[in-house]
Order: sequence, then C-alpha cells, then structure tokens
Amino acid sequence: QVQLVESGGGVVQPGRSLRLSCAASGFTFSNYPMHWVRQAPGKGLEWVAVISSHGIDQHYAASVKGRFTISRDNFRNTLDLQMSSLRAEDTALYFCARDVGGGDMYFDCWGQGTLVTVSS
Amino acid sequence: DIVMTQTPLSSPVTLGQPASISCRSSQSLVHSDGNTYLSWLQQRPGQPPRLLIYKISNRFSGVPDRFSGSGAGTDFTLKISRVEAEDVGVYYCMQATQMYTFGQGTKLQIK
Repeated sequence: QVQLVESGGGVVQPGRSLRLSCAASGFTFSNYPMHWVRQAPGKGLEWVAVISSHGIDQHYAASVKGRFTISRDNFRNTLDLQMSSLRAEDTALYFCARDVGGGDMYFDCWGQGTLVTVSS
Repeated sequence: DIVMTQTPLSSPVTLGQPASISCRSSQSLVHSDGNTYLSWLQQRPGQPPRLLIYKISNRFSGVPDRFSGSGAGTDFTLKISRVEAEDVGVYYCMQATQMYTFGQGTKLQIK
C-alpha cells in the first residue's frame, strides 16, 4: 500500500542545520509532486515546500525561503528537506505529503511525521 | 498570499447531530483552469491529517457519505450529517489555487 515514512528529526541548536528524509513506497514515486508540511506543537498546519514530480520546480513558504531546500531522488524514492539556519520557530512535526498531481491539486497521502526541536 | 479563515474554531456537538464548519478565503479560489482547489482534511488526535474532500465537494476514497462539502468562490462549508465518536478531531480547509494555505483548524468535540 501507499506509504510515506519520515526520518531525520531531532533536537538541534539554533543556527544549525538538519536534513529530513521521507521514504516512499507502494506507488510510482516519480509520477507525483511532493510536499513538506509542518505543525508546531499544539498549532495548525503550515505548508513548507513543494517539488515537482521530476524535481525541476520547487516552491517555498516565505517563512523558510532561502533557508530550506527541498529535493528528491526518483531512483531511491526519497524526498528530502535540507534545513539550515534553524530558528526556534521551526520547531514542529514535519510531514511529507503526496500531491495527487495530474492537473489536480490535493494531498491524498501523508506520513506520520518527524519531530524537529530547535533549542539551545 | 491567500488567507483562509475558519469558523467556528471550536464546535461541541452531540452524537448523532449535524455539524457544520465554514471556511472563507481572502480571494476567489477559482483557478485559471476553471477548477476550485479547496479541500478539507481531518486530523484525529495523535494522527497525521487525512483527506476528506477535494475540489469543494468530492469525497475522497473511503470517506463516509455523512461528510459533504459545498461552496463556491470564497465561501465553503464542510457538513457532517450525523456526528459519530470517531469524528472527534481538528478539521482544516486548504486551498491549492495559489500556492497552498491552510485554515486555522476547527476542533470538533463531543458535548
């Protein structure tokens, strides 16, 4: 079945970097745009970044632009989020989500999330 | 950026009774391709979000028919015809017409 499994979260000091990964299985990964969405503790959902199915196009939320980089490896079926210059406000549960694509735009599959805590 | 505003933020409901959540966007969600990319997601406690409704009113696979979506332009509604215990959680509207934005979330709880 379709599965997304995030990893790489942890505790990191402000200003440092961290790389998250999302392993996809059960579908043809290269056919789908993919997103990162985050949720601060006790708060709502915030869209972070999107990458096109072939990895050519990326877009970012203003809050992370210039600090985060989304990438994918369609051979290894993985999605990554390289986070740098981390701030306390980046503390959140980070989800990867599949975009159904094909001219439609909605997130039909989500991982369980990986927790990032930015703290000194 | 498009801002999504949900009301109410909290909704205590009696089991078996209907519930309704509104979502208003700061600008029209009609895309240049004619579609309106407004979806609804449910997040049960301790779980990731789950897609319920896409393009205003289309129920996603496996979603019970007690869930329905309606609306147009800037005003949208999610309705649950008869609330069940498993419906407890937070509901989000999300627009994908111009990048992506979520509403603040509406917490559905049982009275």
